[in-house]
Amino acid sequence: GNSVTQMEGPVTLSEEAFLTINCTYTATGYPSLFWYVQYPGEGLQLLLKATKADDKGSNKGFEATYRKETTSFHLEKGSVQVSDSAVYFCALSDRNFNKFYFGSGTKLNVKP
Amino acid sequence: NAGVTQTPKFQVLKTGQSMTLQCAQDMNHEYMSWYRQDPGMGLRLIHYSVGAGITDQGEVPNGYNVSRSTTEDFPLRLLSAAPSQTSVYFCASSYSRLASTGELFFGEGSRLTVL
Repeated sequence: GNSVTQMEGPVTLSEEAFLTINCTYTATGYPSLFWYVQYPGEGLQLLLKATKADDKGSNKGFEATYRKETTSFHLEKGSVQVSDSAVYFCALSDRNFNKFYFGSGTKLNVKP
Repeated sequence: NAGVTQTPKFQVLKTGQSMTLQCAQDMNHEYMSWYRQDPGMGLRLIHYSVGAGITDQGEVPNGYNVSRSTTEDFPLRLLSAAPSQTSVYFCASSYSRLASTGELFFGEGSRLTVL
């Protein structure tokens, strides 16, 4: 079956520190991979995505590369800001984009 | 720009009561879905619909009913609420598969407590 495992939080960093949030997946077929972000009191919103192996998704300074050989999609950012404090979810979808599977979420706290 | 609108935002029920969570979108999306978010478990798909008149089950469909009579609306019904259904519920929509980029558009959530 399909599943996503991501590192547990919370992760606490100082402003301008380097961020890595690990995500690995199990899937049948050729899934698409996503990172969604949830700010307090809001619904999730798409941060970035990759639809095939070796693709790199990027947005707002965040990056993640679809690694089929290690079944991973780790999220990175070179210099975090206080405004990046949120919960980050790794997800995969089937090729029809009908069923999405989400990880448990990683809460990021960035201190000034 | 309303996007995806969920009502109510908060609801407290007693065990055995029924209720409907409403979801409406104004983006003409063909795809709509319901998720529940529980601590430590992320979001899990309850039901989804790829168009009016078409629904299908997700990971955790038991205890929930859905219907899709219009493109805009996708209500989620709890026929006999149980404490295990205490959760935050999110509705999400997207373009049809042929037009989709895989991006889901989420509502702000509905927090349900069953006593």
